[in-house]
Amino acid sequence: NAGVTQTPKFRILKIGQSMTLQCAQDMNHNYMYWYRQDPGMGLKLIYYSVGAGITDKGEVPNGYNVSRSTTEYFPLRLELAAPSQTSVYFCASEAYRTEAFFGQGTRLTVV
Amino acid sequence: EDQVTQSPEALRLQEGESSSLNCSYTVSGLRGLFWYRQDPGKGPEFLFTLYSAGEEKEKERLKATLTKKESFLHITAPKPEDSATYLCAVTQETSGSRLTFGEGTQLTVNP
Repeated sequence: NAGVTQTPKFRILKIGQSMTLQCAQDMNHNYMYWYRQDPGMGLKLIYYSVGAGITDKGEVPNGYNVSRSTTEYFPLRLELAAPSQTSVYFCASEAYRTEAFFGQGTRLTVV
Repeated sequence: EDQVTQSPEALRLQEGESSSLNCSYTVSGLRGLFWYRQDPGKGPEFLFTLYSAGEEKEKERLKATLTKKESFLHITAPKPEDSATYLCAVTQETSGSRLTFGEGTQLTVNP
């Protein structure tokens, strides 16, 4: 039982490049989330999903996009990377109204 | 708008020196208050959920309490391995399971 797995762990992007952050969970959770954490700050919600085919914006969605075609996977797409997107990205999943389980994070630097 | 404020930002203790971390919140219709532990380079790890004022939960040297305006995480006789950042987060009745995080308290326990 791996829990929530994120890939890659580290990535350096040039301004204007695009990439997809991968997130997979093996707990059959319907709810999945993407958060970003800037240095010394709390986590901020980017996008979330309550089930396959259903996604919605969180607090800071600009510059990102998501899809959820299956229960297991919830990729986060960055189009036209900007320095402001330099951050650590966490994916999380949970069963309905329980605690969230987080992945180990993806550290992204945009130069 | 939901707000979560944690204090202090950083706390340095000697091994065995008990103390408390504070999390004050402003949310309309609190569904739950969560405490997470985050080690450097890792994702948040769930500790406790509290749902109603007066509720208390304990785990080893940690005890979490909740009032109508704030939560405390009491650390009794801490050890160096308790060093971490402790994050507080809330969910609102009308926003489902989406977490609003505070900025965290960085705890260092010296031997």
